[in-house]
This record gives sequence, C-alpha cells and structure tokens, in this order.
Amino acid sequence: GAGVSQSPSNKVTEKGKDVELRCDPISGHTALYWYRQSLGQGLEFLIYFQGNSAPDKSGLPSDRFSAERTGGSVSTLTIQRTQQEDSAVYLCASSLYSGISYEQYFGPGTRLTVT
Amino acid sequence: AQSVTQLDSHVSVSEGTPVLLRCNYSSSYSPSLFWYVQHPNKGLQLLLKYTSAATLVKGINGFEAEFKKSETSFHLTKPSAHMSDAAEYFCVGSYAGNMLTFGGGTRLMVKP
Repeated sequence: GAGVSQSPSNKVTEKGKDVELRCDPISGHTALYWYRQSLGQGLEFLIYFQGNSAPDKSGLPSDRFSAERTGGSVSTLTIQRTQQEDSAVYLCASSLYSGISYEQYFGPGTRLTVT
Repeated sequence: AQSVTQLDSHVSVSEGTPVLLRCNYSSSYSPSLFWYVQHPNKGLQLLLKYTSAATLVKGINGFEAEFKKSETSFHLTKPSAHMSDAAEYFCVGSYAGNMLTFGGGTRLMVKP
C-alpha cells in the first residue's frame, strides 16, 4: 500500500516568508508526528497528533511554528516569517496508534531552504 | 532529559567484514530502543526494535542489536558488511511512548 507522502519534496523560500508543508499519512493511521533534521541539531521531535486529542506541541522551537491535522488525516506544518535557521529537512511519520508497540513509518521529507 | 548517544559519527569497513555501530542511552529508566537506517534521499526505515522482551533483537538485512542494561548500551552489529549497507544509521529511544529521541547518527561507509 501507499506509504507516508510529503509535499513539496523541496522548497526554497526567502527569509520572512511563510511556508506550508504537507503530510499525507498512511490510511487508517491515527498518530502523526513531525520531526526536523538539520545539520546543527540532528533529528528532533516537533509535534505529535493522536486521533482527536490535543496535539503535543512540546517540540516546537518557537511560536512561528504551528501545525494542524484536518479530519484526522492530512497534516500541514506552517512556518511563519521564516528564518535561515529554519533550513532543514522536515520529516513526517505516522503509526497505527501511539505508543512504543506501533512502528512509526516515515515519509521522504521536505527539504526547506531559506535564503 | 533523556538522551541517546551514538559514539561514532563515521564508521568505515571493508565489504565482508563485521559492522559495529555503538549506541548508549541515558538510564533514568529503560526506554524502548530502535535502530533506523536512512539511505541517501530516502525516508527512515526501521531496522529493529527492543521493547523489554528478548535482549538480543534480530532485524532486517542481517542486522541485530543487544540490549545491555549494565552498560546502558544498544550496539548494532552485522557479521558481514555489504555495499548496500552504506547509509546513515540512527539509534533512537522512546522514553514517553510517543515521541522519539534520536542519536546524532552514524554514517557507515563500506569499501569494496
């Protein structure tokens, strides 16, 4: 079946502009995660959604970052007023349910470059 | 804070020789532990996971890892490296059951 998909695969934007990154999880997966992979910080957790519960936003680096998940499926990560330090690969993952028993399946990522 | 440390940022081996990628975790309590592999321009793929059952865990492509509580380690091994094993490997901990905590990664190079 189809895996996790992300779009766009690459995004170049000017400093100060807003960007939206999209994630389509595997159908039927109730948990969705966003991570960021950058040269300076490695791979870090950003935000997590489980079903209709309030998301865990504990990893978001600033209030310029936000995410939503519509209808329990597609998720959009929004970065407002982008800065050069936001340049990174943004990874989305989904799992059937939350918790360690359920493997997280990762998408290919969106490479964001802020110029 | 919980953490996972990969002791080598780069490892180079010759094809056919054993692979050892080292990982230590912080020990406030035993986490679930995973190894993921990332090939260039590809997504992360789960190799194996430890969730407090057997301490020796076998994964895909001939990889295995042993959980050693006394050493707070979860090293990844493979008896014989193949060229296709060249990739970046991440040791990952799950302390809260949801979000993953990643090690810094180890880039494995395989020489012919």
